[in-house]
Amino acid sequence: GNSVTQMEGPVTLSEEAFLTINCTYTATGYPSLFWYVQYPGEGLQLLLKATKADDKGSNKGFEATYRKETTSFHLEKGSVQVSDSAVYFCALKLGNEKLTFGTGTRLTIIP
Amino acid sequence: EAGVVQSPRYKIIEKKQPVAFWCNPISGHNTLYWYRQNLGQGPELLIRYENEEAVDDSQLPKDRFSAERLKGVDSTLKIQPAELGDSAVYLCASSSYHEQYFGPGTRLTVT
Repeated sequence: GNSVTQMEGPVTLSEEAFLTINCTYTATGYPSLFWYVQYPGEGLQLLLKATKADDKGSNKGFEATYRKETTSFHLEKGSVQVSDSAVYFCALKLGNEKLTFGTGTRLTIIP
Repeated sequence: EAGVVQSPRYKIIEKKQPVAFWCNPISGHNTLYWYRQNLGQGPELLIRYENEEAVDDSQLPKDRFSAERLKGVDSTLKIQPAELGDSAVYLCASSSYHEQYFGPGTRLTVT
């Protein structure tokens, strides 16, 4: 079956530090890959996505590259801010089917 | 445009009681999803609708859970009777092509 494995949290960083949250996947076929973010008290929001191998999704300074050879979609940001504190979910989707999520990584940024 | 609307935002009930959640998707979105998110986990699909037809309900515990989407717009998810293990956040999402938009969720606590 399809599955997503992401870096366990919580992750605590100082402001302006470099961020990497690892995500790997297993899928039958060629999935689309997503990163969702959940801010405290809010619903899930799409952060970025990539629909085919070697695509790079980017938004709000975050980036992730679809690596088919390593079945990975690691999330990176060069300089994090306090406002980036949230829970981040990696997810995959095949066609028009359901999203399959990882367990989430809680990120806390300290001023 | 308005996002996905869910109500109530919070619900506390005693076990064995019934409970219902309501979702109004984004206008024009034919696909509607109900997910359950347990504490510290990623969301898991309960049921997916294409218009008024439930096309994937394989993960819905049908002995106590039911859902409907009359007229292919709003949807209701019901639990009867609720059990302690049903405590979770119930998320509704809708999509028109391949991107899913999530509502804020209903946090259910069963005591």
